[in-house]
Amino acid sequence: AQTVTQSQPEMSVQEAETVTLSCTYDTSESNYYLFWYKQPPSRQMILVIRQEAYKQQNATENRFSVNFQKAAKSFSLKISDSQLGDTAMYFCAFARTSGSRLTFGEGTQLTVNP
Amino acid sequence: GAGVSQSPSNKVTEKGKDVELRCDPISGHTALYWYRQRLGQGLEFLIYFQGNSAPDKSGLPSDRFSAERTGESVSTLTIQRTQQEDSAVYLCASSSRFEGLSEQYFGPGTRLTVT
Repeated sequence: AQTVTQSQPEMSVQEAETVTLSCTYDTSESNYYLFWYKQPPSRQMILVIRQEAYKQQNATENRFSVNFQKAAKSFSLKISDSQLGDTAMYFCAFARTSGSRLTFGEGTQLTVNP
Repeated sequence: GAGVSQSPSNKVTEKGKDVELRCDPISGHTALYWYRQRLGQGLEFLIYFQGNSAPDKSGLPSDRFSAERTGESVSTLTIQRTQQEDSAVYLCASSSRFEGLSEQYFGPGTRLTVT
């Protein structure tokens, strides 16, 4: 069974600065998919960024980028130029195949301070 | 078009009563997922539908939980004889099997409180 671990329950950052959220996972699969989701107080889960394990290049989406280390089974999220609207719970998630169920970590509550 | 919708938004019920939670997926999405999120925790997978069949229901915690789906449309999650530990937010997601990487689009969830 796959497991996803987020070791930082809470983090804070000053507006406009950079923050990195950590995620590690365990799997015996060679190909799989990794995601970061954001959940603001509205409860709406929003996909932030995704990575296919067979791709060596790290995914980027505007201010969001990942550091994918396949051998170390690590998938960290970097948020640059943090904004107040980035305040939310962030979840790392794993999928064994495209379209299969997601396995989530426990989440990291990120607070961006003005 | 419209996103995934869920109803009710909030539900308070007494221990021992049955509840039904509804999910309307994005039109045309063949895959539908139910997850449970306990307070302050990550999401736990419950069941997955492809069309109206459920190839993976391994996450249902007990036989008090069941779900059905009509075609590629509405799904209902039913919890019988509710217990206090069933209190959680129940999230539904849908995805299109025709996308290259099937992103799951989530609904706003139903907050269930069992008193």
